[in-house]
Amino acid sequence: ELKVEQNPLFLSMQEGKNYTIYCNYSTTSDRLYWYRQDPGKSLESLFVLLSNGAVKQEGRLMASLDTKARLSTLHITAAVHDLSATYFCAVAPPWSSNYKLTFGKGTLLTVNP
Amino acid sequence: ETGVTQSPTHLIKTRGQQVTLRCSSQSGHNTVSWYQQALGQGPQFIFQYYREEENGRGNFPPRFSGLQFPNYSSELNVNALELDDSALYLCASSRDRSNYGYTFGSGTRLTVV
Repeated sequence: ELKVEQNPLFLSMQEGKNYTIYCNYSTTSDRLYWYRQDPGKSLESLFVLLSNGAVKQEGRLMASLDTKARLSTLHITAAVHDLSATYFCAVAPPWSSNYKLTFGKGTLLTVNP
Repeated sequence: ETGVTQSPTHLIKTRGQQVTLRCSSQSGHNTVSWYQQALGQGPQFIFQYYREEENGRGNFPPRFSGLQFPNYSSELNVNALELDDSALYLCASSRDRSNYGYTFGSGTRLTVV
């Protein structure tokens, strides 16, 4: 059974600081996603990482993937309040015919002024 | 192009009742996947429908059932509601069973009392 672990689960940051969220998964996967969720809202796709060494950046967020270590990171640079949300990583096992996603528990990020 | 729409947005049901949730897929998408998100947790895969047939399900009992229609919209039915069924139900549409390009709807918040 595929397991996805995120840490930390809770992250309180000051504006302007940098931090990294980690996502470990238990089996090989050919695709890793990062999503953002605001309270009571749906999931917003941030990044999809398709290969070992993939790095993607959008604004203050940068995601990377190390398939050998089964690890993805989401790095936050110079945090601002608008980044406050819950962030999920999700992976799908390559043997699955329906490509169902297995999500981590999420990281609740709070950026304080 | 229209996105994924879900209805209703909120509803409250009594334990033991039955509920039907609806999802209209994005234009051009023939696959709908349903996820349950309990409070403070990541979404969990319920099942997927592809061209009107169920294409795999997660660890959910048979009282969770679904349908997909010729226009690729979908329904999720839950019988004999339990308190633990209270959650945000998300549907995601995509092409050809893939999770690539998943588009999530805004969700239905179900409360069972």
